Amino acid sequence: DAMVIQNPRYQVTQFGKPVTLSCSQTLNHNVMYWYQQKSSQAPKLLFHYYDKDFNNEADTPDNFQSRRPNTSFCFLDIRSPGLGDAAMYLCATSTRATGVSDTQYFGPGTRLTVL
Amino acid sequence: SQQGEEDPQALSIQEGENATMNCSYKTSINNLQWYRQNSGRGLVHLILIRSNEREKHSGRLRVTLDTSKKSSSLLITASRAADTASYFCATDEGGSYIPTFGRGTSLIVHP
Repeated sequence: DAMVIQNPRYQVTQFGKPVTLSCSQTLNHNVMYWYQQKSSQAPKLLFHYYDKDFNNEADTPDNFQSRRPNTSFCFLDIRSPGLGDAAMYLCATSTRATGVSDTQYFGPGTRLTVL
Repeated sequence: SQQGEEDPQALSIQEGENATMNCSYKTSINNLQWYRQNSGRGLVHLILIRSNEREKHSGRLRVTLDTSKKSSSLLITASRAADTASYFCATDEGGSYIPTFGRGTSLIVHP
């Protein structure tokens, strides 16, 4: 049973054309994250939500935005995709416990191609 | 910023052999985690080891942690072709709740 679902699995967009990636979870976790991962690289955290509190990484470009309308859903909006934004986008969730690093549950990812 | 560094970057072995991957980090940590990522998929959590633990086991996985050397190792015993994946260590840099991932070790197990 899928616990973190990402749609679509593959997304092709044109240079500069806005795109939205979606993530949903059935785990009722209070933390949701978006990562960007390029080939043979570490996942790079873009931002995360702790409940409704949005936390943006300092080096995340303004081109990337996120929305979390409720506990279960989180969206990644790329306002004007560039060729450099082609990557795998990973959504993850966790439930935060005091004094312990978040143990993250990842979705299968969305592979974004920018033409 | 990147905290853990895995070594080797790539590892190729035969089925049945053991695979050992290492992770080194720079600052003190509370916890260290290992994740697996199959090609084109999301990451899967394998094991978390706390700074006051030296060794943990989970099935065919054995993780050690040496805080004096700021290093950890992941041992997969009796490897199988299905173990082919990338393996990442993740540390809680600066006491952050959010783990920071290294670049990973790409493991290929030949049948």
